[in-house]
Amino acid sequence: QVQLVQSGAEVKKPGASVKVSCKASGYTFTSYDINWVRQATGQGLEWMGWMNPNSGNTGYAQKFQGRVTMTRNTSISTAYMELSSLRSEDTAVYYCARGYIREPFDYWGQGTLVTVSS
Amino acid sequence: EIVLTQSPGTLSLSPGERATLSCRASQSVSSSYLAWYQQKPGQAPRLLIYGASSRATGIPDRFSGSGSGTDFTLTISRLEPEDFAVYYCQQYGSSPQGTFGQGTKVEIK
Repeated sequence: QVQLVQSGAEVKKPGASVKVSCKASGYTFTSYDINWVRQATGQGLEWMGWMNPNSGNTGYAQKFQGRVTMTRNTSISTAYMELSSLRSEDTAVYYCARGYIREPFDYWGQGTLVTVSS
Repeated sequence: EIVLTQSPGTLSLSPGERATLSCRASQSVSSSYLAWYQQKPGQAPRLLIYGASSRATGIPDRFSGSGSGTDFTLTISRLEPEDFAVYYCQQYGSSPQGTFGQGTKVEIK
């Protein structure tokens, strides 16, 4: 069965960076994009960007341009999302989700809580 | 960039009642690339509907989607206790491809 398993919770100080991983199993990792979506406590879903694991191509939401980097390691079927220059407003649960061009997000990771606090 | 506006913000209903949720786009959603997700507290979102009206695998037929262009609707024909949750619409046909609405909470009256 398809599974996306994310890394554990993180606590970071303002100005630091965080790198969240998303390990895929149950399907061919390079056949689908990985998207990243975040959700602040009590708030809605905010799409951050996508990465194609086959080519490494990425597309980021304008809000995160220059601060987010999405990468992958195909040998271990794992995608990564790194967010830099963290501020308190980045405190949120970060999800990875499988998708593709003009396809919905059909499988999601369990979420990773990132807390930014001094 | 397409902006999705969901209404109402909160829907207070009783089990067995019908729920009608609206999602309006600021411009036409190409080829009905519109999805609906359900999210319960502490859980990741779950895909319910894609292509505006197709149910995802394993989704009960009390959930149905309709609409095209700029106006879309999610209907839950008879609310079950497990249906009380937050629902989000998403367009995935135009860049940026993952735009979500702000959500509608369906709560027990």
